[in-house]
Amino acid sequence: QVTLRESGPALVKPTQTLTLTCTFSGFSLTTSKMCVSWIRQPPGKALEWLARIDWDDDTSYSPSLETRLTISKDTSKNQVVLRLTNVDPLDTATYYCARLTAVSHAFDTWGPGTLVTVSS
Amino acid sequence: DIQMTQSPTTLSASVGDRVTITCRASQSISSWLAWYQQKAGKPPKLLIQMASNLESGVPSRFSGSGSGTEFTLTISSLQPDDFATYYCQQYFSRYSFGQGTKLEIK
Repeated sequence: QVTLRESGPALVKPTQTLTLTCTFSGFSLTTSKMCVSWIRQPPGKALEWLARIDWDDDTSYSPSLETRLTISKDTSKNQVVLRLTNVDPLDTATYYCARLTAVSHAFDTWGPGTLVTVSS
Repeated sequence: DIQMTQSPTTLSASVGDRVTITCRASQSISSWLAWYQQKAGKPPKLLIQMASNLESGVPSRFSGSGSGTEFTLTISSLQPDDFATYYCQQYFSRYSFGQGTKLEIK
């Protein structure tokens, strides 16, 4: 059974760096074609894709946020970490991690999400 | 960036109705399109990938069609559990989602 779960701070101050961790089970990021992405959703708004990391360490980012995002993985811990620098109240959202493969590219399994509020 | 536009934004329908949601891409995405269902406070659930391939366990009343720039999600006979928000998503070039269609009870 594939599961993912996001963790991180619920409240972050403007200009700080947000660090979120996705801990997963039921698959390995050392397996060929496996990938994990981060997606966010501001309250009452649509989904926005943020970043992806692949089994072979390849990464890709949303063009609009690329300069502020870093995604990395720790395969020994089955974790993927997302860092977002210089946060702003507009970054307030529920952040999800999701699994996909480099074959289908659809997000087939999602974590429950974690709400992050950016406020002073 | 590829922009995805869904219509309508809100759809009011009754149990038993047949409903269709449209998704248009700003450029051709072949069949690299997925549909998701999201209920309040929950993560999205993958329904359809590659425009028309139903995920395992998804009821057969859901179907998807289209290619290129225009796609549709059809629910043949609405059930109470289907009232939710639906998103399309392209994965031809990176990833982007539509703005969502909220399916409400009439």
